[in-house]
Amino acid sequence: GQSLEQPSEVTAVEGAIVQINCTYQTSGFYGLSWYQQHDGGAPTFLSYNALDGLEETGRFSSFLSRSDSYGYLLLQELQMKDSASYFCAVRDSGTYKYIFGTGTRLKVLA
Amino acid sequence: DAGVTQSPTHLIKTRGQQVTLRCSPKSGHDTVSWYQQALGQGPQFIFQYYEEEERQRGNFPDRFSGHQFPNYSSELNVNALLLGDSALYLCASSPTLERRNYGYTFGSGTRLTVV
Repeated sequence: GQSLEQPSEVTAVEGAIVQINCTYQTSGFYGLSWYQQHDGGAPTFLSYNALDGLEETGRFSSFLSRSDSYGYLLLQELQMKDSASYFCAVRDSGTYKYIFGTGTRLKVLA
Repeated sequence: DAGVTQSPTHLIKTRGQQVTLRCSPKSGHDTVSWYQQALGQGPQFIFQYYEEEERQRGNFPDRFSGHQFPNYSSELNVNALLLGDSALYLCASSPTLERRNYGYTFGSGTRLTVV
């Protein structure tokens, strides 16, 4: 089977930089995705890494190291609206289903 | 352009009853996946529909069934409801053919409470 581990909670102040880590165990690998979910809201796709390296999208960046089975989401210039849960996800080998991590709750303090 | 639409937004049912949840995918998307999200947990895959067929199924009992219509909309049915079925049910759509992974587009979900 496949599993993904994330820290349960991270706290940071406005304007800071925060990194949310994700380690995974998979029998195959199609790439690592990240989603943001505000309380009571829909998960929103943030980024996808198929190859090693850094992908940048505005204030958010995502990194992948396939040799280490590790990735992270980097949020810069934190804003209060970034307070949400963040999930990493991988596609299950040989299937069409995505497996999500348990999520990291980010709290941004003023 | 409307995204993924789910109905109803909230639902309260009694143990043993049956429930039907509905989903309209984003325009241009033909694949619909259903997820169950318990409080404080990540979404768990229930099944995926493509071309009106169940293409993939997760580890959920047969009480969970679904359907996809020719217009790509989908329904999730749960029979013989248990207290443990209380959760947020998310519908996610995606296009089958895409050159780059843009991920799922999720609906806001249906909050099901079983009492």
